[in-house]
Amino acid sequence: DTEVTQTPKHLVMGMTNKKSLKCEQHMGHRAMYWYKQKAKKPPELMFVYSYEKLSINESVPSRFSPECPNSSLLNLHLHALQPEDSALYLCASSLDAPGQGTHGYTFGSGTRLTVV
Amino acid sequence: DAKTTQPPSMDCAEGRAANLPCNHSTISGNEYVYWYRQIHSQGPQYIIHGLKNNETNEMASLIITEDRKSSTLILPHATLRDTAVYYCIVRATKTSYDKVIFGPGTSLSVIP
Repeated sequence: DTEVTQTPKHLVMGMTNKKSLKCEQHMGHRAMYWYKQKAKKPPELMFVYSYEKLSINESVPSRFSPECPNSSLLNLHLHALQPEDSALYLCASSLDAPGQGTHGYTFGSGTRLTVV
Repeated sequence: DAKTTQPPSMDCAEGRAANLPCNHSTISGNEYVYWYRQIHSQGPQYIIHGLKNNETNEMASLIITEDRKSSTLILPHATLRDTAVYYCIVRATKTSYDKVIFGPGTSLSVIP
């Protein structure tokens, strides 16, 4: 298995809803990442998990709450989002934890989120 | 991390080599050059990386100048499927501030 799987592929949620995005990899990768991508813009780093522990939070608002229950799974819990949070949310993983190697990242296809 | 500068867009004829330039004049000695691409509506895809030597894999070649201030990604025989945004990234691998930060990239259009 050489993929990062993200579910759902599409999500529409209201501003008062609570939803979660899910990301899985079974490659034994030691680091996992969340990125946010607005239309026609490059991906922006949100969170980095290294060995299941949060190592980087790029000043992301608290309405986004990451969780790493085990080495294969990464969740992003969403609550009280705003319409401007509508974007493509990308998950990635890498064999090496940050600072420990040179392997590239493997990205999933993303969840396209629309906040209404 | 060092910043990179790439042309916003390029065209390439199908079957010809696509040469995508990247300037990274402030790169540090311990920073690697990485290339990713993103085909429309998909996640980014890792292509290749290097430190100072030229590198080649099944997807592309990476040529880094001797002073390491610039690099070129070469797709030897571009196909329509190579139409994508190509990101050149300088990454402080093996340091405590290792992060992959994307710039605007180059939108490559391969033309039949």
